[in-house]
Amino acid sequence: DSGVTQTPKHLITATGQRVTLRCSPRSGDLSVYWYQQSLDQGLQFLIQYYNGEERAKGNILERFSAQQFPDLHSELNLSSLELGDSALYFCASSAHRLPGANVLTFGAGSRLTVL
Amino acid sequence: DQQVKQNSPSLSVQEGRISILNCDYTNSMFDYFLWYKKYPAEGPTFLISISSIKDKNEDGRFTVFLNKSAKHLSLHIVPSQPGDSAVYFCAALLTSGTYKYIFGTGTRLKVLA
Repeated sequence: DSGVTQTPKHLITATGQRVTLRCSPRSGDLSVYWYQQSLDQGLQFLIQYYNGEERAKGNILERFSAQQFPDLHSELNLSSLELGDSALYFCASSAHRLPGANVLTFGAGSRLTVL
Repeated sequence: DQQVKQNSPSLSVQEGRISILNCDYTNSMFDYFLWYKKYPAEGPTFLISISSIKDKNEDGRFTVFLNKSAKHLSLHIVPSQPGDSAVYFCAALLTSGTYKYIFGTGTRLKVLA
């Protein structure tokens, strides 16, 4: 158990629908990252939050949005789902102490299947 | 624009031999490089890191080498063990200016007993 909790583990839905993925970071970590891993692809960075505020944005589609709440958990909202959104979505957290290598602790992922 | 590339999708090595995983990057401003290991049905876990001001970092059987002029890093595993069979991701971190934490596409390592 990495300490990062992601729910749900698996989700099957239809095109056009909307889903919410939830992430609870490791205790004490202020920063949350979201990554998407499609088939045979690497980890594509979507977005990062630090202590409730958006810190960095990657290749996140306009149909996707995220937020980090005061209790530091984060939600990734995916709307108007398309077949190509089927992927494994990872959340990671870090203490985000700079300077230094910022080690990420990943959750086990949420597998989204869009039919 | 893939700023971090792992050009070998897979690698097979005999148990006890050396495994060498490679990673290339394009942005010379990256501050740190990290390797993560991923087993099936689990999230990636941190393995080893190196600062851009160093050229080598060692931790037990794992050594990371950084060649800044070539914008290339490699992970050496010696000796390789069957339990090392996993997908290995390299990642590059830029802490100044626009923060970036970018992963490569991964290399699947299979250590044969």
